[in-house]
Amino acid sequence: KNQVEQSPQSLIILEGKNCTLQCNYTVSPFSNLRWYKQDTGRGPVSLTIMTFSENTKSNGRYTATLDADTKQSSLHITASQLSDSASYICVVFSGSARQLTFGSGTQLTVLP
Amino acid sequence: NAGVTQTPKFQVLKTGQSMTLQCAQDMNHNSMYWYRQDPGMGLRLIYYSASEGTTDKGEVPNGYNVSRLNKREFSLRLESAAPSQTSVYFCASDATGGFNEQFFGPGTRLTVL
Repeated sequence: KNQVEQSPQSLIILEGKNCTLQCNYTVSPFSNLRWYKQDTGRGPVSLTIMTFSENTKSNGRYTATLDADTKQSSLHITASQLSDSASYICVVFSGSARQLTFGSGTQLTVLP
Repeated sequence: NAGVTQTPKFQVLKTGQSMTLQCAQDMNHNSMYWYRQDPGMGLRLIYYSASEGTTDKGEVPNGYNVSRLNKREFSLRLESAAPSQTSVYFCASDATGGFNEQFFGPGTRLTVL
């Protein structure tokens, strides 16, 4: 069964600090991996989309990495801000199966 | 350019009542999707419409029906609501119809008593 596991479930950091969120997946065949940010009470917003050949992709202070061999991805947030407080969701797309598998998210809280 | 809009934002129903959740997008996207999000779980696909005039079942379609009214609008109907349908419902759209980069609406929080 296709699965996407995220860790940690929740994380609290101080403003200005860096953090890394993890995503492990068992989806096959793999087409791309996406990271979304979901603010409380809002819909998810896309941060990055990475295909098999991409190891790293950045979007401002967000940097995603992908190791397709070990089926792992990480999202690194640099110099965190209060506005980074949100749930971060990892999603894996299998094109041939036309299926998106969503992780349950990591809830990040940034404190002043 | 409002993106994806959903109505209502909140709704409380009694078991057995019916209702329709509305979704509209102004990005001229071909595909539209309905998801539900439950605590501790990832989003799950209920139904999707790859293009105007077509609809397909997703992972959890039981108890729901959909209508792709036109290219802009995609509605989700609960004919006889059950407590298990208490959830947050998100509508999404993408331009090309291949589950590509999706744009989500703000969600509808539904409680069934």
